[in-house]
Amino acid sequence: DAKTTQPNSMESNEEEPVHLPCNHSTISGTDYIHWYRQLPSQGPEYVIHGLTSNVNNRMASLAIAEDRKSSTLILHRATLRDAAVYYCILRDPAFGNEKLTFGTGTRLTIIP
Amino acid sequence: DTGVSQNPRHKITKRGQNVTFRCDPISEHNRLYWYRQTLGQGPEFLTYFQNEAQLEKSRLLSDRFSAERPKGSFSTLEIQRTEQGDSAMYLCASSPGQMLPIYFGEGSWLTVV
Repeated sequence: DAKTTQPNSMESNEEEPVHLPCNHSTISGTDYIHWYRQLPSQGPEYVIHGLTSNVNNRMASLAIAEDRKSSTLILHRATLRDAAVYYCILRDPAFGNEKLTFGTGTRLTIIP
Repeated sequence: DTGVSQNPRHKITKRGQNVTFRCDPISEHNRLYWYRQTLGQGPEFLTYFQNEAQLEKSRLLSDRFSAERPKGSFSTLEIQRTEQGDSAMYLCASSPGQMLPIYFGEGSWLTVV
């Protein structure tokens, strides 16, 4: 599986935008970029995913570099509820490759 | 709530005992996954079912571990002769199709004493 690199931790002030980076320099042409987050004492939660174009949904935006070797998850206005570990994961749709491979993620702390 | 349901949520067992966890996926999700997570680490993949067929197993799934999904609906994960190293959170997840989002349950915490 292609590897992703994320900062271990980040802090942000409440009600400000947060940009969470992810490097994936060995990404293949068919890898999708997925983001999940895990709140304390809960299972992971799907956030967003994309292939080449930037993506938006009600939770966040995903900005993908033109060469696809990095991406950024954007939380437009952080709340205390966004404090979690955020995982950037590559998924290849090749037949049989169903699993998510989690790293250690970025622990996001929101400062009130 | 129609999310992924896991039972029991917490289990304390003595070393050497057997334990079984149950997972009820989201209705009509044909894909079901089991993961294990220890403190400070991301979840690790254990096994995956498509309907009742177990299609992939991790090397982490030793011969003391067995998972079933007999009718393609709920699943069980049994750990035989538990060891202290089995202490972890066991996560179940389901998905409606390939490459679609995967929805996780809240996990079952196992403590082996």
